[in-house]
Amino acid sequence: SQQGEEDPQALSIQEGENATMNCSYKTSINNLQWYRQNSGRGLVHLILIRSNEREKHSGRLRVTLDTSKKSSSLLITASRAADTASYFCATAPLSGGYNKLIFGAGTRLAVHP
Amino acid sequence: GAVVSQHPSWVICKSGTSVKIECRSLDFQATTMFWYRQFPKQSLMLMATSNEGSKATYEQGVEKDKFLINHASLTLSTLTVTSAHPEDSSFYICSARERHLSFNEQFFGPGTRLTVL
Repeated sequence: SQQGEEDPQALSIQEGENATMNCSYKTSINNLQWYRQNSGRGLVHLILIRSNEREKHSGRLRVTLDTSKKSSSLLITASRAADTASYFCATAPLSGGYNKLIFGAGTRLAVHP
Repeated sequence: GAVVSQHPSWVICKSGTSVKIECRSLDFQATTMFWYRQFPKQSLMLMATSNEGSKATYEQGVEKDKFLINHASLTLSTLTVTSAHPEDSSFYICSARERHLSFNEQFFGPGTRLTVL
């Protein structure tokens, strides 16, 4: 399958709560990226973590990477209604050749006021 | 910086017609552009990789004669859906990789919604 797996598929939380999304992948990677997509829109790049990094922060976002388990997590702290969107992880396989990205199935996050 | 545009943003066409979608990198040179399609509530599926000045590389299962890709310059790639049918209705998204970046961050266009009647 081209896609990795993400869980949960859908997540519904209240404003102020933290949201955690997980991503698993299948092959050795160069880096892993997280993207956000609002309904019917293009993707917005959130954060990139390289294979030799274990954790990275950007504002309210915290990403971890465990290459031994081939998994990553995205934590959004103190969520806001504006965080409502779909979130995708994308991996850059080492054998990608032309540097392609393989996208996970995505997590649909709904943050309720 | 790093803005990618797509045109048109949406298109409705009759079955059997061809539709061209443009992808432009507005403020950087893109050696490589990627084309994805996305069905409702699903993830992005890579269709093909387009390198400037050479033939596109298609993913397994993607018909290259149906989805024609041209990457004539460092800022423009086009996807033509030939003899479109209702099952081709989808959200098509392009992305571009900047030539000077050492790792493969991609910048995405806003997408084109194609509806084939």
